[in-house]
Amino acid sequence: RKEVEQDPGPFNVPEGATVAFNCTYSNSASQSFFWYRQDCRKEPKLLMSVYSSGNEDGRFTAQLNRASQYISLLIRDSKLSDSATYLCVVNGGGSYIPTFGRGTSLIVHP
Amino acid sequence: EAGVAQSPRYKIIEKRQSVAFWCNPISGHATLYWYQQILGQGPKLLIQFQNNGVVDDSQLPKDRFSAERLKGVDSTLKIQPAKLEDSAVYLCASSPLGPTDTQYFGPGTRLTVL
Repeated sequence: RKEVEQDPGPFNVPEGATVAFNCTYSNSASQSFFWYRQDCRKEPKLLMSVYSSGNEDGRFTAQLNRASQYISLLIRDSKLSDSATYLCVVNGGGSYIPTFGRGTSLIVHP
Repeated sequence: EAGVAQSPRYKIIEKRQSVAFWCNPISGHATLYWYQQILGQGPKLLIQFQNNGVVDDSQLPKDRFSAERLKGVDSTLKIQPAKLEDSAVYLCASSPLGPTDTQYFGPGTRLTVL
């Protein structure tokens, strides 16, 4: 089993739709979690950190489920500009080495 | 605040040649990372520095790759000799303290090995 797994997609959704991605991790001792956004041929940029209590930033909600070892990202009211690849990052488990998933591609169409 | 700087942005070389990449992190950031991102995959950590010490280089192919971070600031990543499978984007990132912080990425160097 890979350390961090994501469904590569693509998720093809219309504008205004709600879409959710999951990211599973194998190391139960992992301690910090992030979602990054990567536009085509650009560098990754932080979208949001994922806290144990969950967090929300506008249309974006991130949650952590430690029992099932996954994090999720929910995007409400999708915009064309949300089209990108969403990367999850998991740190910790003793080594504090950041591990990226392969990313989930989102395409929002008119 | 200036971001992470990388150069060159693009490089084309033939296999068995050598290449070097340079990274200047955000001022004051203690941790510096080099990643390799192959098309369609997530970034793979090659090496992580805390100040000028190596925290992890377990995924660095040490027979051909080397990296250093002089005086805990700038860093260079070298490949010698290059192979076809080294074609990728090499991303440098920095964070204020460590990997539990936000990482700030540079624009990357796109390497093509022919």
